[in-house]
Amino acid sequence: DAGVIQSPRHEVTEMGQEVTLRCKPISGHDYLFWYRQTMMRGLELLIYFNNNVPIDDSGMPEDRFSAKMPNASFSTLKIQPSEPRDSAVYFCASSIRDPRSGNTIYFGEGSWLTVV
Amino acid sequence: QKEVEQNSGPLSVPEGAIASLNCTYSDRGSQSFFWYRQYSGKSPELIMSIYSNGDKEDGRFTAQLNKASQYVSLLIRDSQPSDSATYLCAVAGNQFYFGTGTSLTVIP
Repeated sequence: DAGVIQSPRHEVTEMGQEVTLRCKPISGHDYLFWYRQTMMRGLELLIYFNNNVPIDDSGMPEDRFSAKMPNASFSTLKIQPSEPRDSAVYFCASSIRDPRSGNTIYFGEGSWLTVV
Repeated sequence: QKEVEQNSGPLSVPEGAIASLNCTYSDRGSQSFFWYRQYSGKSPELIMSIYSNGDKEDGRFTAQLNKASQYVSLLIRDSQPSDSATYLCAVAGNQFYFGTGTSLTVIP
């Protein structure tokens, strides 16, 4: 079975440009998460969805960040305009049910973003 | 106070030794606890979960949970160079939190 699929794997963009990261969760998983990882701050939860509905976006750093999940098999994380401090690895992850009940979170391979 | 705290390390142990990784958490209502391993440049992957006080063993790995003291630990016996990675503690209560991870290096 395919895991969580993310694209692009690597992106280098100039400051001010729009960045769109894409994710396909594992089929049948009800929960989808977007995380950002940096050396300084570790793994930060940006937003998560349950059955395509955003549940908690309190981790989204500012209005430049937005996320959508138009259907059960696709989600996007958009940064507009991008800034150098957005450089990080962005992980998409999914879980079959609520991870707070002990269900495993499965991570994609990450999108490595560099904003110059 | 962070929800989940780990010593960032780096922790270095010789091959064959026991590596001990520790994690404390602040939400006393937390019910589920996880250890993820992350190799450099890769994504985190689950290696163990524990829900009840005491020890849980899986091969060379043992997770220990003490809810009264609010800590969870991971012991790696007979450490191998392939165990060199960052180990992330995760705790599930009202929310789901990851620690910042402990970097482990096993020296051949």
